[in-house]
Amino acid sequence: AQSVTQLGSHVSVSEGALVLLRCNYSSSVPPYLFWYVQYPNQGLQLLLKYTTGATLVKGINGFEAEFKKSETSFHLTKPSAHMSDAAEYFCAVRGGSQGNLIFGKGTKLSVKP
Amino acid sequence: ETGVTQTPRHLVMGMTNKKSLKCEQHLGHNAMYWYKQSAKKPLELMFVYSLEERVENNSVPSRFSPECPNSSHLFLHLHTLQPEDSALYLCASSQVNGGRGNNEQFFGPGTRLTVL
Repeated sequence: AQSVTQLGSHVSVSEGALVLLRCNYSSSVPPYLFWYVQYPNQGLQLLLKYTTGATLVKGINGFEAEFKKSETSFHLTKPSAHMSDAAEYFCAVRGGSQGNLIFGKGTKLSVKP
Repeated sequence: ETGVTQTPRHLVMGMTNKKSLKCEQHLGHNAMYWYKQSAKKPLELMFVYSLEERVENNSVPSRFSPECPNSSHLFLHLHTLQPEDSALYLCASSQVNGGRGNNEQFFGPGTRLTVL
């Protein structure tokens, strides 16, 4: 069975600082991994995804994530935080063949001026 | 704009009311999903429709009744809800090709439901 663990329900960084949001997964099949972002009162928007190939994946808004099979991790990073990055971030792994995703509990990112 | 729309965006209803949530996708996908997002729990998958057939129902109470008349439309019919059903209800769609697809899902903006 697939599962996702996001370490830290809240992360706070200063503007311009490194953003690091942690995600570990468990999957019985080769994983497809996703990061989504949710701004207040909105739906989820795809930031980036890993399916196969290059393990360092670049997404929108300057975010990237690295798939590390040996560590079963898919951490999300951004070199320099911007105030507009304040949102909730969800890591997800492909579930079954019906197309469902298994989501982590989310990490709320705050950016201080 | 993700290509998935939901109406209404906000809904307040009493416990004895009957209402419906609507979702429409303009992406040509063949699978649609309902999720519940509440403050106390992570995203919960409620229903999955693949090729217009319900393929998953995660022990959702019968006061929630989904309907998928075609591959572009999905409804969630609500009746005799409880205050704990207050949440953000999200609709999503994806293109599923057996086990070969990467399952990327596109989400609508959600309906904020308040049950009084």
